[in-house]
Amino acid sequence: NAGVTQTPKFRILKIGQSMTLQCTQDMNHNYMYWYRQDPGMGLKLIYYSVGAGITDKGEVPNGYNVSRSTTEDFPLRLELAAPSQTSVYFCASKGQDNSPLHFGNGTRLTVT
Amino acid sequence: AQSVTQPDIHITVSEGASLELRCNYSYGATPYLFWYVQSPGQGLQLLLKYFSGDTLVQGIKGFEAEFKRSQSSFNLRKPSVHWSDAAEYFCAVGAREYGNKLVFGAGTILRVKS
Repeated sequence: NAGVTQTPKFRILKIGQSMTLQCTQDMNHNYMYWYRQDPGMGLKLIYYSVGAGITDKGEVPNGYNVSRSTTEDFPLRLELAAPSQTSVYFCASKGQDNSPLHFGNGTRLTVT
Repeated sequence: AQSVTQPDIHITVSEGASLELRCNYSYGATPYLFWYVQSPGQGLQLLLKYFSGDTLVQGIKGFEAEFKRSQSSFNLRKPSVHWSDAAEYFCAVGAREYGNKLVFGAGTILRVKS
């Protein structure tokens, strides 16, 4: 039981490049989330999904896109990378409404 | 808007001393509350959670937290801190009425002096 798996762990992008951060969970959780973490700012919600085929914006969605074609996978897409997207990205999932979140180990992204 | 405040950015305590990390929230609904811990370069690990019932909840690693509705607080405590407790701690709040999205505080970095 691997939990929540994120790939890659690290990535450096040039301004304007695109990439997809992968997230997969093997716990059959309905809810999945993408957060970004910046120093002194805590975690900010980018996008979330309450089930396959359903996604919604969080607090800071601009510059990102997501899809949820399966229960297991919730990739995050950056189309035109900007320096402001330099951050650590965490994917998380949970099974029930008020269950705690299970986090992946994060992807550290640098845009230069 | 929903918000979570952790007033202390950094806290330093001596090993063996007691610890209290503060968390205040602003929510228009009945919240459920969590404390998470993050070691450097790692993801977040759940310490404890409160949904309903007894307002004093016990968690892992000897931590506990008390929900005080009148003060909108959910402070984390530990009677005797160990050097391995040095990490960053996050309070998080959610509510079914707000789509089950968790809102996180900015975090408190705990340093432990030997």
